[in-house]
Amino acid sequence: DAGVTQSPTHLIKTRGQQVTLRCSPKSGHDTVSWYQQALGQGPQFIFQYYEEEERQRGNFPDRFSGHQFPNYSSELNVNALLLGDSALYLCASSQQAVAKNIQYFGAGTRLSVL
Amino acid sequence: AQTVTQSQPEMSVQEAETVTLSCTYDTSESDYYLFWYKQPPSRQMILVIRQEAYKQQNATENRFSVNFQKAAKSFSLKISDSQLGDAAMYFCAYRSAWAGNMLTFGGGTRLMVKP
Repeated sequence: DAGVTQSPTHLIKTRGQQVTLRCSPKSGHDTVSWYQQALGQGPQFIFQYYEEEERQRGNFPDRFSGHQFPNYSSELNVNALLLGDSALYLCASSQQAVAKNIQYFGAGTRLSVL
Repeated sequence: AQTVTQSQPEMSVQEAETVTLSCTYDTSESDYYLFWYKQPPSRQMILVIRQEAYKQQNATENRFSVNFQKAAKSFSLKISDSQLGDAAMYFCAYRSAWAGNMLTFGGGTRLMVKP
């Protein structure tokens, strides 16, 4: 049973560019959440997708957008990259119908903005 | 908004000894979940233990146990018989029982295990 998989593992971009990160949830999971983890800090919630819609959003600007596909996989898009967007981006999946659902995390995508 | 605070940036423990990591949180809600996650150098967050706020009994998972003090809003993690593989970043996290999936994390504690 594959867990949460993220691609790519590492990405280097320059300021002003756009980036797309991908996430495949754990088998049987229908909800995907994205987190940003700056170096030396705890993860911060970006947003959550369920039934192909954004259901909850943290304190992130509109430059951060996402999408969920019918197979439950998800993408995180960041436009007009800033140096401060350099971070580890973590994807977590869970089952919405389970009230006590546990979020399982992927190994993340390390984004470096130069 | 909820906040989670981990006051120990780094902790060190001798192999086979016991160590306790501290976590406090602030919330006005009465129903919520608390978690401890481990993040090794491989970067993947691994769930260590979970506590439901309505349960008075402290959660236990093998060598890992928590001391949940709801009135004090404190949620510490005790690791018994520490092993070299326990060395990692440990994050305390909060989730509301009614407001979606969002996890609020603390800043983390780096645990070093000395052989």
